[in-house]
Amino acid sequence: DAMVIQNPRYQVTQFGKPVTLSCSQTLNHNVMYWYQQKSSQAPKLLFHYYDKDFNNEADTPDNFQSRRPNTSFCFLDIRSPGLGDAAMYLCATSDSRGWGYTFGSGTRLTVV
Amino acid sequence: ELKVEQNPLFLSMQEGKNYTIYCNYSTTSDRLYWYRQDPGKSLESLFVLLSNGAVKQEGRLMASLDTKARLSTLHITAAVHDLSATYFCAVAPYNNNDMRFGAGTRLTVKP
Repeated sequence: DAMVIQNPRYQVTQFGKPVTLSCSQTLNHNVMYWYQQKSSQAPKLLFHYYDKDFNNEADTPDNFQSRRPNTSFCFLDIRSPGLGDAAMYLCATSDSRGWGYTFGSGTRLTVV
Repeated sequence: ELKVEQNPLFLSMQEGKNYTIYCNYSTTSDRLYWYRQDPGKSLESLFVLLSNGAVKQEGRLMASLDTKARLSTLHITAAVHDLSATYFCAVAPYNNNDMRFGAGTRLTVKP
């Protein structure tokens, strides 16, 4: 089945130690998104790639970066995680029309 | 900036009762989405509404869209315990794929 896969499902990192979350898709969608969801809150859009074009939300901290080396993969890099970055990180994809979004299972990040 | 407002934020229902969740948004849009989220899980797509007057139903849930009023509703009929979850509406602005979420409605269905 075509899908969006996020690895790992759970990630524990130390305060200030860089961490990378990964997302892959078999849908061949040209748009990929990263959302951050803190406990009991709505998902918040961090950035997205439209093909190779990177679009950053104005209020996304500089601590968060992303890479998309090819259509199938997208990475979220957190350069210096703080305690406030503990959250579920959701990757999603859509085609260019945005008529449907497919979400991965998420990565739950814990910062210790 | 697009704003999406959902209400109520918390909803406690008895089994067998009906209720409606409301979703208002602030800018022109041609796409509205409803998702379900269980604790600790990712988002499950329920409905995609793409035109004014669209109505979709799945089991005990029915969603509708009024683009002129910038309002969508999610109606729950004869609630059962299995419907307990958090429900989010999300909107993508016209000609833009940046989908934004409402705050979510935490639904608890009690026997």
